[in-house]
Amino acid sequence: GESVGLHLPTLSVQEGDNSIINCAYSNSASDYFIWYKQESGKGPQFIIDIRSNMDKRQGQRVTVLLNKTVKHLSLQIAATQPGDSAVYFCAEGSNYQLIWGAGTKLIIKP
Amino acid sequence: KAGVTQTPRYLIKTRGQQVTLSCSPISGHRSVSWYQQTPGQGLQFLFEYFSETQRNKGNFPGRFSGRQFSNSRSEMNVSTLELGDSALYLCASSLDLGGQPQHFGDGTRLSIL
Repeated sequence: GESVGLHLPTLSVQEGDNSIINCAYSNSASDYFIWYKQESGKGPQFIIDIRSNMDKRQGQRVTVLLNKTVKHLSLQIAATQPGDSAVYFCAEGSNYQLIWGAGTKLIIKP
Repeated sequence: KAGVTQTPRYLIKTRGQQVTLSCSPISGHRSVSWYQQTPGQGLQFLFEYFSETQRNKGNFPGRFSGRQFSNSRSEMNVSTLELGDSALYLCASSLDLGGQPQHFGDGTRLSIL
């Protein structure tokens, strides 16, 4: 069936460096992609989204890239801070439903 | 503006019992969705309610049910609890049916003994 997956379950990054979290999706009909951040003990928090008619979108310290040719989505976090430690989920949307990936845990090294 | 509120935060039940979880959406949000999250897994969609009607449903057994009230508050019920039902249950609200992004509560941690 259709699925959204993440390449790496855990990513360790030095504080101050840039982080790149990757996500593969399989439904070429998906028209909406979202990144959420989930800190320990909390619910997922919306970070940024992108529609399928775009290939890049920037937010505050975050950039999402969409490559429809290879069905790949990435989240880039600039100048990673300790507060960025969390599990990051990508999700693809179509027909008003979201399919979620399993998540990538981002660890910040001091 | 207050966020999505879920009660209780923690719950311990035994097999065979039933449980009801509550969710108050953000004021003005009319859609409420429920998700199950287990360790190492992503979020599994349970159902979405809009205008007091279930509009979308995930692949869960009939033991999982829900309802939505006229003020958009929602409850989720699980009957005949099984050990595998131990999970974090998350509620998310959005302005309209299928609306994105959704805003999540901090969940109810359900443990089955």
